[in-house]
Amino acid sequence: DTGVSQDPRHKITKRGQNVTFRCDPISEHNRLYWYRQTLGQGPEFLTYFQNEAQLEKSRLLSDRFSAERPKGSFSTLEIQRTEQGDSAMYLCASLGDRGFNTGELFFGEGSRLTVL
Amino acid sequence: GQQLNQSPQSMFIQEGEDVSMNCTSSSIFNTWLWYKQDPGEGPVLLIALYKAGELTSNGRLTAQFGITRKDSFLNISASIPSDVGIYFCAGQISSGSARQLTFGSGTQLTVLP
Repeated sequence: DTGVSQDPRHKITKRGQNVTFRCDPISEHNRLYWYRQTLGQGPEFLTYFQNEAQLEKSRLLSDRFSAERPKGSFSTLEIQRTEQGDSAMYLCASLGDRGFNTGELFFGEGSRLTVL
Repeated sequence: GQQLNQSPQSMFIQEGEDVSMNCTSSSIFNTWLWYKQDPGEGPVLLIALYKAGELTSNGRLTAQFGITRKDSFLNISASIPSDVGIYFCAGQISSGSARQLTFGSGTQLTVLP
C-alpha cells in the first residue's frame, strides 16, 4: 500500500499520560499536514511541514502538542499531559508539488485518541 | 477564520434516488473540494473544482463551483448502498498554502435499501 499510513489506529489513555502518533506520508510527497477531527465536525488544521521544516502551526496546537519530521519523511505528533478534551481523531495528510496549489490532500486513516 | 456552512447535516434516502448537498461561505474560495469519509477512516477526495462556474463529474457524482466563488454543491445520482458516509466540502482561499483548507461540518448520508 503506497498511501498515507498512521499508527496506532486507536489509543486509549488516562488523563495526564503522554501519547505519540506516527505518520508515514506517500513517499514522493514532501508536504505533510496534521489535522484534528472531533465527532460531528470536519477536520481542523493543526500544523504543516515542508520536508523537515515546520512552516505553520494553528492556534489549536497548544504547548502540550509537539510535532516533528526529523528527516523529512515520517512525522510524529506528541501530546503531553493529555486532557479529556484531546479526545479526537488525529489525521495526517500529504501532498506533493503537483497538488500544492490545488489543495488535493491525501489523508491517512487517522489515529483515534480516547482520554479517560 | 473562514467558516463553511454545509447542509443538510444528514439525509436519509432510498436506494436509487438522487441526492444534493451544498456548502456556502462568507469568504471567497479559489478551490472547492469534496471529500467522503467512511466510519473510522480518513477523508477521501471525490472531486476538485478550480474555476468559478466549473461543473465537474466523476461517475455518478457531479459538483459545481458557484459563480460567486462562495458556494458549491455536490449531486449524487442513482444512489447505492456504498454511498453511505459523511461528505465534506472544503475550500482553499488561496494558492500556495494548502493549510488554508477549511472544511465544512459534513453531511451524513444514509441510503436505505
